Amino acid sequence: AQKITQTQPGMFVQEKEAVTLDCTYDTSDPSYGLFWYKQPSSGEMIFLIYQGSYDQQNATEGRYSLNFQKARKSANLVISASQLGDSAMYFCAMREVGAGNNRKLIWGLGTSLAVNP
Amino acid sequence: DTGVSQNPRHKITKRGQNVTFRCDPISEHNRLYWYRQTLGQGPEFLTYFQNEAQLEKSRLLSDRFSAERPKGSFSTLEIQRTEQGDSAMYLCATETGGSNQPQHFGDGTRLSIL
Repeated sequence: AQKITQTQPGMFVQEKEAVTLDCTYDTSDPSYGLFWYKQPSSGEMIFLIYQGSYDQQNATEGRYSLNFQKARKSANLVISASQLGDSAMYFCAMREVGAGNNRKLIWGLGTSLAVNP
Repeated sequence: DTGVSQNPRHKITKRGQNVTFRCDPISEHNRLYWYRQTLGQGPEFLTYFQNEAQLEKSRLLSDRFSAERPKGSFSTLEIQRTEQGDSAMYLCATETGGSNQPQHFGDGTRLSIL
């Protein structure tokens, strides 16, 4: 079965500095997709970045980049130039294809990021 | 693109009551998912629709839970005879099904059982 592991329950970063949030995954499927979402205290789940298993380059979206190391099965999120508004829970998720082409997401436990002024 | 809309945002009810949540997807998204998220956890898959067909249900979805998506548009999730353990955030997500496309989430419905 597929599994996502986020080993950092909480992280602190100084405003304007970069921070790396760890994510490791386990799957036997050769084709998979990895996602990072941000969940502020208000509860909505906001998509940040996607990495496909066959993508040759690490994904980037503005201040977000994904450090994808396929052999190590890791997909760490790097946030550059942290802002106070980045304070939130961050979830790593993997797409698992099931019955009826169900593309459900399997989630880690999340990492709580606090940005200090 | 008006985003995924969920109603209500919050629901407080007494144990044993029935509750119904609604999810309105992004208009061109034919795939719809329900997830449940309890405190300190990541979301857990509950059920999946492609258009109006409910194609997969999690073992988490006991017989007190039912979901529908008539005409492949909005979806409802009903919980009958609510229990304390049903207290959670219920999240709806939709997608087009493209290979690199993410699921888009609504703001969720937070259910509290008294």
